[in-house]
Amino acid sequence: NAGVTQTPKFQVLKTGQSMTLQCAQDMNHEYMSWYRQDPGMGLRLIHYSVGAGITDQGEVPNGYNVSRSTTEDFPLRLLSAAPSQTSVYFCASSSSGGLSYNEQFFGPGTRLTVL
Amino acid sequence: GDSVTQMEGPVTLSEEAFLTINCTYTATGYPSLFWYVQYPGEGLQLLLKATKADDKGSNKGFEATYRKETTSFHLEKGSVQVSDSAVYFCALTSAGSNYKLTFGKGTLLTVNP
Repeated sequence: NAGVTQTPKFQVLKTGQSMTLQCAQDMNHEYMSWYRQDPGMGLRLIHYSVGAGITDQGEVPNGYNVSRSTTEDFPLRLLSAAPSQTSVYFCASSSSGGLSYNEQFFGPGTRLTVL
Repeated sequence: GDSVTQMEGPVTLSEEAFLTINCTYTATGYPSLFWYVQYPGEGLQLLLKATKADDKGSNKGFEATYRKETTSFHLEKGSVQVSDSAVYFCALTSAGSNYKLTFGKGTLLTVNP
């Protein structure tokens, strides 16, 4: 199992450009999430999905779009990049388990700089 | 809403010193609690977890006990090593919300030889 993979590893954009951060998992997990990590802020939830075709907003969703057409993939789209979106982005996945917790597995991250 | 507060860093220790990183939380219901570790240049890894009051999570010499009466989950290690240098995050998830982790801001630990 490759686990959770993310591409690209690094990206530099100009203000106003668009791009898609890719995330894939091969563990057949129902749940997938996107977080951003900023210095002194910890990780904050951007969007999440509880299954194919179902997505919802997290704590900081503005400026980002997501879709989930398959169980494996959960891309994050930046429609018009802004310097405030400079951050490290992590994708995570976990299996559903009712009231019990199942570990979230994290990808290696994408470091994005918006100039 | 849910929140996690952990001690501000950075923390600098000598090898073999005792480590404590404080973590307190606010949550509705009965959360599960976690410590994640991020080594330089890497993603997050689950270090340990506890899912009910008085549970003790442990891994790699680290321990943390779920204290519901004080809403705390402090991370401890009796003798740190240089290889423990990393950022440590306290986090929680509320019952029925496995897809959403609420994180503290992280504590950078540096261990010097």
